[in-house]
Amino acid sequence: DTAVSQTPKYLVTQMGNDKSIKCEQNLGHDTMYWYKQDSKKFLKIMFSYNNKELIINETVPNRFSPKSPDKAHLNLHINSLELGDSAVYFCASSTTGTSGEDTQYFGPGTRLTVL
Amino acid sequence: AQKVTQAQTEISVVEKEDVTLDCVYETRDTTYYLFWYKQPPSGELVFLIRRNSFDEQNEISGRYSWNFQKSTSSFNFTITASQVVDSAVYFCALSGRYSGAGSYQLTFGKGTKLSVIP
Repeated sequence: DTAVSQTPKYLVTQMGNDKSIKCEQNLGHDTMYWYKQDSKKFLKIMFSYNNKELIINETVPNRFSPKSPDKAHLNLHINSLELGDSAVYFCASSTTGTSGEDTQYFGPGTRLTVL
Repeated sequence: AQKVTQAQTEISVVEKEDVTLDCVYETRDTTYYLFWYKQPPSGELVFLIRRNSFDEQNEISGRYSWNFQKSTSSFNFTITASQVVDSAVYFCALSGRYSGAGSYQLTFGKGTKLSVIP
């Protein structure tokens, strides 16, 4: 059974389009995250939600908007896509998000390519 | 501010050699947690180990072992008798409070790409 799943796995789109990436976890975790991995493999936190409440909001363009309909889902919507948005986006989840010992479990990633 | 440094960008070894991946961290927290993740060529991120700052015992899991030394702020990862399947990018990460709030975030190193040559 997949613990953290993301759809789609690959996303190729034109500049200026709007797209969404979906994430679901079946681990019963309270906290979910979005990370961006750039072409040099650097991983950076973007957002985190705890029980549908935004708790981490790093400096990302406001074209990126996360939405958490319930604690098992965290979607990422991106407006007006730009070339620089091309990256791999990872969703993750952890038990509470309020303890440093929480282990984050990652989804398979979504490779976004903006042409 | 927290920082994780993985000075080795890429390492190549011949199969069956031992290899150590270095990780040095900086934090002001007195209690903290360190992690290693593996990213194979298929792209997923796989959790390997978590270590808290109070436990300096080395850990061994099969061919993998981890050496945590608080005095040098290092959490190194050794693979014994490396295999081709060990080829991956390995990330060291440090857990710390996010902007003084009650939530925590992971700060990742830039990763070490390990290539095991048959």
